[in-house]
Amino acid sequence: GAVVSQHPSRVICKSGTSVKIECRSLDFQATTMFWYRQFPKQSLMLMATSNEGSKATYEQGVEKDKFLINHASLTLSTLTVTSAHPEDSSFYICSARDPSGGAWETQYFGPGTRLLVL
Amino acid sequence: AQKVTQAQTEISVVEKEDVTLDCVYETRDTTYYLFWYKQPPSGELVFLIRRNSFDEQNEISGRYSWNFQKSTSSFNFTITASQVVDSAVYFCALGSNAGGTSYGKLTFGQGTILTVHP
Repeated sequence: GAVVSQHPSRVICKSGTSVKIECRSLDFQATTMFWYRQFPKQSLMLMATSNEGSKATYEQGVEKDKFLINHASLTLSTLTVTSAHPEDSSFYICSARDPSGGAWETQYFGPGTRLLVL
Repeated sequence: AQKVTQAQTEISVVEKEDVTLDCVYETRDTTYYLFWYKQPPSGELVFLIRRNSFDEQNEISGRYSWNFQKSTSSFNFTITASQVVDSAVYFCALGSNAGGTSYGKLTFGQGTILTVHP
């Protein structure tokens, strides 16, 4: 079946640095990708919708200047956490939709990226 | 606005017991999808089931079964003869089929931590 990959799987960085997380659809072209964040022992919260070739749509309360999203190709979306701080430490998960199917029949999740900011 | 409630924060059972995880949802959409995901300690979401709001048939897959009751807005998940490997966090999620900016987004419940003891 379709696979969505994320890189890196785990990252530790110092406070103030920027971190880029990649989400790739491996065998289909994803016009839409979604970024979720999950704090320890909490639920997944949608951060933004990434659309190929256009600006991302952010959920209420998510700082667009803090979490930069770029969907430059049909197989890659990147999430950059700028000037990361310890409160940004979280599990970031992307999902990608295969447009050849319906919205739900062909949506796949990546394995997630654990970010720890020291 | 959409909402998913999993009232059971944690459940602990002994192996071979049956266990039911509750999920109640709220939506104004006439068509929607409901999901269950399993999240083991690795963090990767494992898709278990997707149910269209038009399809109220209950489903059984091996030891897993799902009871969709549209009248009570519930989509409960039962594991029969639980095993230690079933220990994980289980999420119920709701997807809008309304189109526009809601298309493809998932709203997750808070999750239920299931621990199965040997």
